[in-house]
Amino acid sequence: GQQVMQIPQYQHVQEGEDFTTYCNSSTTLSNIQWYKQRPGGHPVFLIQLVKSGEVKKQKRLTFQFGEAKKNSSLHITATQTTDVGTYFCAGGRNSGGYQKVTFGIGTKLQVIP
Amino acid sequence: EAQVTQNPRYLITVTGKKLTVTCSQNMNHEYMSWYRQDPGLGLRQIYYSMNVEVTDKGDVPEGYKVSRKEKRNFPLILESPSPNQTSLYFCASGHSGRAGGTQYFGPGTRLLVL
Repeated sequence: GQQVMQIPQYQHVQEGEDFTTYCNSSTTLSNIQWYKQRPGGHPVFLIQLVKSGEVKKQKRLTFQFGEAKKNSSLHITATQTTDVGTYFCAGGRNSGGYQKVTFGIGTKLQVIP
Repeated sequence: EAQVTQNPRYLITVTGKKLTVTCSQNMNHEYMSWYRQDPGLGLRQIYYSMNVEVTDKGDVPEGYKVSRKEKRNFPLILESPSPNQTSLYFCASGHSGRAGGTQYFGPGTRLLVL
């Protein structure tokens, strides 16, 4: 079945440093979504990428979708303590007219003030 | 307010005692799904539903049942809970189809099976 690998599993950074998490799928994806889960909270949708090579930005967050639509990355510039949480990618692929989504294991980000 | 609600939020039970976790959404979403979240394993899909009366197994369906009799509700049933089903459970909903599948998650249900 489809697998979505995500690394690293944990990351500690000093406030102000950059952070990147990577996702890699074993199969070509229709789209990829990114979610953020704050400690004690539930996953919250951040963004969806659909096109090959797509790059989207949300303030300090930059999301990329690979040319082959099998990998993606989330980069945070100049981390802040509010960025603390676990970031999940979720790869979507069409299956019988509907979309099947597989989540990566998540990257837990800790920001040291 | 658009939301996904789950009940109960916390539950302690004993092995073998049937339980149901309810999930309801008010966004008229076709797609609903159940996940369990365990340390080091991320979010794993249990069951999902593309529409009323249409359900399918996810990656870890053993020990669980679901039903989708109405569009807004998608209960998760544990007929005979076991300790390995102790976990944090999330219900999610979204629009299915080729355009993409953004999912909106409920607040979670923390289950402890003794």
